[in-house]
Amino acid sequence: EDQVTQSPEALRLQEGESSSLNCSYTVSGLRGLFWYRQDPGKGPEFLFTLYSAGEEKEKERLKATLTKKESFLHITAPKPEDSATYLCAVQGSGNAGNMLTFGGGTRLMVKP
Amino acid sequence: DAGVTQSPTHLIKTRGQHVTLRCSPISGHKSVSWYQQVLGQGPQFIFQYYEKEERGRGNFPDRFSARQFPNYSSELNVNALLLGDSALYLCASSLDRNSPLHFGNGTRLTVT
Repeated sequence: EDQVTQSPEALRLQEGESSSLNCSYTVSGLRGLFWYRQDPGKGPEFLFTLYSAGEEKEKERLKATLTKKESFLHITAPKPEDSATYLCAVQGSGNAGNMLTFGGGTRLMVKP
Repeated sequence: DAGVTQSPTHLIKTRGQHVTLRCSPISGHKSVSWYQQVLGQGPQFIFQYYEKEERGRGNFPDRFSARQFPNYSSELNVNALLLGDSALYLCASSLDRNSPLHFGNGTRLTVT
């Protein structure tokens, strides 16, 4: 059974204070690791897909990296508008279709 | 382009009742998936449909059922509602099984 654990559960940063969110996973045959952003009362918004260890992707102040056991979402010089819950999910080859297994998320709050 | 649309946005039902939730995918997307998100947790997979056929089912009781129509829209039905069914129900669409999921903003179901 695929499993995803995210840490920390909650993170408070000052504006401009860089940090990283962690996503640890176990999966039978990784087909993809996904990062989503979710604002209160909204659905998850797609950010990145990573497919193999060593891969990196960037978007504005966010950078996602992948190893064989973990993924990190690095946030550089965050702004208050980066405040949201960040969700990590894996897609394993043992599952039908494009089913995702999600972690519990990291709630990020960036204070001005 | 319109994103994934879900209706209704909010719903209040009584224990034992039945509910139908509706989803329209992004134009051109043939796959629709349903997820349940309990407050404070990550989304949990319920169903996936592709080309009107069920392609995956999560660990949910038979009270949960779904279908996909010829225009690729979808319905999620839940019978004999329990208090524990209170959650945000998310619909997601994708081009195919190898493409990222794009989520709607969900239907907030409250069972009293």
